Amino acid sequence: GAGVSQSPRYKVAKRGQDVALRCDPISGHVSLFWYQQALGQGPEFLTYFQNEAQLDKSGLPSDRFFAERPEGSVSTLKIQRTQQEDSAVYLCASSLVTGFTGELFFGEGSRLTVL
Amino acid sequence: KNEVEQSPQNLTAQEGEFITINCSYSVGISALHWLQQHPGGGIVSLFMLSSGKKKHGRLIATINIQEKHSSLHITASHPRDSAVYICAVSLKTSYDTVIFGPGTSLSVIP
Repeated sequence: GAGVSQSPRYKVAKRGQDVALRCDPISGHVSLFWYQQALGQGPEFLTYFQNEAQLDKSGLPSDRFFAERPEGSVSTLKIQRTQQEDSAVYLCASSLVTGFTGELFFGEGSRLTVL
Repeated sequence: KNEVEQSPQNLTAQEGEFITINCSYSVGISALHWLQQHPGGGIVSLFMLSSGKKKHGRLIATINIQEKHSSLHITASHPRDSAVYICAVSLKTSYDTVIFGPGTSLSVIP
């Protein structure tokens, strides 16, 4: 596709369920970021991939959060045993370069609601 | 203290007004991004700049690296400009790290 694609757009989960959120970046983009955006807040960094390597996962809030990008393209953010505080929009962004001046392209986000 | 701050937090303007949103940061950066987020929508990159000034249509972005400050200006504002405008900075590190500001919520009234 022409842009960054995320799925599902909306996900409702019962507390304790596992969820998986998918990000399909722009083809050829090296850098991929996951962000968490709570209602009324700016995005907060979760993790960063350079191709298939997860170079930074310092923003993942707990060990229930896990991200992968095994082939350096599609990425999946998995949240185990979801809690209500996990409710947020999860944004994925990709960038063509690994350098310092790559323009960011964002997906539409996946809105997770944990009941 | 947040590493990226924006002002104002909320802004209401009349259609046609000139609007300025400010961003200040406290870290060393390689680039600064201005992003637009419509309610319920995704984020769109408006500008990425590391020096000087950029213009796109009615939007102008400036940055002063020495003062660690950037401004986003909207000329002849229109109701469709209503959105949250987010300033984000790419850090000078060995990999891409971007820190987002809290956003400025703009409402342009007809």
